[in-house]
Amino acid sequence: EIELTQSPVTLSLSPGERATLSCRASQTVSGYLAWYQHRPGQAPRLLIYDASYRATGVPARFSGNRSGADFTLTISDLEPEDFAIYYCHQRHTWPLSFGQGTKLEI
Amino acid sequence: QVQLQESGPRLVKPSESLSLSCVVSGASIIGSTWWSWVRQAPEKGLEWIGEISHTGSTNYTNYNPSLNSRVTISIDKAKNQFSLKLDSVTAADTAIYYCAGGRPSGKFYMDVWGSGTTVSVSS
Repeated sequence: EIELTQSPVTLSLSPGERATLSCRASQTVSGYLAWYQHRPGQAPRLLIYDASYRATGVPARFSGNRSGADFTLTISDLEPEDFAIYYCHQRHTWPLSFGQGTKLEI
Repeated sequence: QVQLQESGPRLVKPSESLSLSCVVSGASIIGSTWWSWVRQAPEKGLEWIGEISHTGSTNYTNYNPSLNSRVTISIDKAKNQFSLKLDSVTAADTAIYYCAGGRPSGKFYMDVWGSGTTVSVSS
């Protein structure tokens, strides 16, 4: 099973700042990695797929990058609605898996 | 616009089976979309349970082995829905259960989600 390790566990920033979230895969997932935003009381929302492609309707301030087995989600110019939990997710190998999440808090 | 809606009992007794359904509107349940179940236990992260796809005349399924073969996911073409059955539940199965769809247009990543349903396991 592929383990995804996210860091940091919690990230405290202010609106207008830049957030950098990381996800490391225990084995190769090639580029088959996605990022989800999960707000309390809502369903998860797909932000980024295949490491760097924004899903439909996702603002340009969200971007994804890959360097080998290391993946990064960057949120530039944080908006109040961006404060949520973010999960990385791999679709390269079954069983599919999620990282443990990074809480982005104000 | 594709919409998913979960339904099923909110309270299940220990050792019994948990059964949930997810009705899909705005899209056919048949095709190359992967239909998934994901859960979130209290104060925990997301856990993938399994997925199903119906192509041609065949159902293809993948499950999370951590659930020890307690899981069955099935499709009801007539009702355009898919279902989850989890056997021998314990308190550890208390969670919010989400159904989701991974469409070809989204490279099969789960890009449409139900709103989630909370299931508690308790006597």
